[in-house]
Amino acid sequence: LAKTTQPISMDSYEGQEVNITCSHNNIATNDYITWYQQFPSQGPRFIIQGYKTKVTNEVASLFIPADRKSSTLSLPRVSLSDTAVYYCLVGMNSGGYQKVTFGTGTKLQVIP
Amino acid sequence: DSGVTQTPKHLITATGQRVTLRCSPRSGDLSVYWYQQSLDQGLQFLIQYYNGEERAKGNILERFSAQQFPDLHSELNLSSLELGDSALYFCASSARQDSLLNEQFFGPGTRLTVL
Repeated sequence: LAKTTQPISMDSYEGQEVNITCSHNNIATNDYITWYQQFPSQGPRFIIQGYKTKVTNEVASLFIPADRKSSTLSLPRVSLSDTAVYYCLVGMNSGGYQKVTFGTGTKLQVIP
Repeated sequence: DSGVTQTPKHLITATGQRVTLRCSPRSGDLSVYWYQQSLDQGLQFLIQYYNGEERAKGNILERFSAQQFPDLHSELNLSSLELGDSALYFCASSARQDSLLNEQFFGPGTRLTVL
């Protein structure tokens, strides 16, 4: 399973656009890239998933360059309620034994 | 509200004991996943069941076991508990079976404290 690397923490002011980059140098051909958001003492919540280029939904955009060795989660005009931990996951389970970890994620602090 | 329910919300027990955590998936979801989240290790995948059968296994200790019943609810059994087992245990469900990374819906978690 591809190992991911994200910044441990980020700060942003309200109303700013926030970009969180995840490195996954050994991503495999069949791997997808998925981002989750987690608030304290709550379960993670799916944000977005993509394979290549750009994916956009009502919450965020996901940018994936051609080599797919990294990806960037973009949160437009963040508010205080976007303060959370953001996890990047890479991989696809084709059955059998699988080790998956969300890692420690990126702790985003939005400042008024 | 994700539609996934977990009981109990909190559990305090002693070392050496055995506990059972329960999860009810979203209506219609056939896959159930269990995760452990401790302060120093992030969120770790333990095991996945799909329609009653074990589908994928992660870093689950031999002291831990799980099952999914015909009504699709799942139980995670933790035995011979150690202090290090203290953590938040999350259950998640999804409709699909073929990927750990399809959209999963997480429950509120069970906070286990081992004293």
